[in-house]
This record gives sequence, structure tokens and C-alpha cells, in this order.
Amino acid sequence: AQSVAQPEDQVNVAEGNPLTVKCTYSVSGNPYLFWYVQYPNRGLQFLLKYITGDNLVKGSYGFEAEFNKSQTSFHLKKPSALVSDSALYFCAVRDRGDSWGKLQFGAGTQVVVTP
Amino acid sequence: DTEVTQTPKHLVMGMTNKKSLKCEQHMGHRAMYWYKQKAKKPPELMFVYSYEKLSINESVPSRFSPECPNSSLLNLHLHALQPEDSALYLCASSQDGQGTGTSQPQHFGDGTRLSIL
Repeated sequence: AQSVAQPEDQVNVAEGNPLTVKCTYSVSGNPYLFWYVQYPNRGLQFLLKYITGDNLVKGSYGFEAEFNKSQTSFHLKKPSALVSDSALYFCAVRDRGDSWGKLQFGAGTQVVVTP
Repeated sequence: DTEVTQTPKHLVMGMTNKKSLKCEQHMGHRAMYWYKQKAKKPPELMFVYSYEKLSINESVPSRFSPECPNSSLLNLHLHALQPEDSALYLCASSQDGQGTGTSQPQHFGDGTRLSIL
């Protein structure tokens, strides 16, 4: 079984400040981990993924995420938030040991960046 | 611009109508997906096609009927829908077919917003 938790329904941050969106996961094996962003009236856009190797993953639009195996976390970060980063963010996990495994999404975190 | 194209963008239909949603990708991806998404919620998987064959049906009611005419096209045929079926329907594709333990991300279209009267 696999699950993803995004503990915050909403994150508010001022423009220029660091942004962090939290994600913890539970899988029976080793995970593939993904972050997606959804802007209003759009589909989900892929930001970044963790497969193996370096625990710090860099992605699109200046985002990065840190994989922490001991804490089973994969938090999304951006050093300096922009108003245009306001969107709905989803963390997702797939168990790499399950070849037919589905992508399991977290509940989503709404990010609001104020000018 | 997204590389997965969905038409129409909006659809309003009565409960007795028959309509179809269309999805197209030209990235050579071998897996294609239909998701249903309610407002502010994560997408819910409905169907997966792998190498043009239906590989996963998440116990979706028969009023939803998927079809994959070729490797680039995915349709979702709708008939006798209920008001609770009103949602955003998202199509996605990924490079590897299911069954390969894929690490490849899914690429999503912008969806069809469906309203059932």
C-alpha cells in the first residue's frame, strides 16, 4: 500500500520569501516521487521527480525538492516566491517495486503568494 | 502550451445525451490515462491504456466508455451521465507503458470541464 500526505491545505507567503510545501509518503518499497503544479483552469504540470541519487532534486521554474529517506519526506522548496507561483501543488508517489503501480496523489496544497 | 491536447474544453450535456471527449498526444508515449478531478481535489484515476490496450479500469461505471483507436488518440464516450459526474476530466500520457515500473512522469492536458444538467 502507498499513501501521500500533504499536511497543509494552504500555504501563505509574501513575494520574495522562501516557499516550502510539505509532503510525506508511505510505500512498502522504494518510491518514485513527483511534484506537480496546477494553475487555475489548467491541467497538472510536472515540476520534478526523485528516482535515485542526489537527495536534492532541481526542477522547473526554480523549484527544488529534498528527499529524506529517514523522515519519508519530499518537501518542495523555492528560495524566493513569486506571485505567479500561486497555484495548487500536488505531491505524488509510485512504488517502484510495483510494476503496475498507480500514481498516488496527495490532497494538494494551495499556495498563495502575496505582493 | 501543453503537449497533450484535449477537446472540447467545455461541455454541457443533459443526462440523456451521448457525447465524447477526445485526447491526442504526438510524443510517442505508450501509456495514456483518464482522470476525473473535482474542484481543489487530486485527480482520480479512471482508466489506463498501455500499448493501446485497456490495462486498468478503476471500477468506473459503464456510462463511461474509453476507447483507444491508435497510439496517439484516446476517447472517452459518455452516455446517461449523472449530475455527480460534473467535473474536470483530464487526459495524461507517459513514455513507458504500464507494467515497466515506470519512473517517467505523466504529462497532462488542460482537461474538459463537464457539466451535467
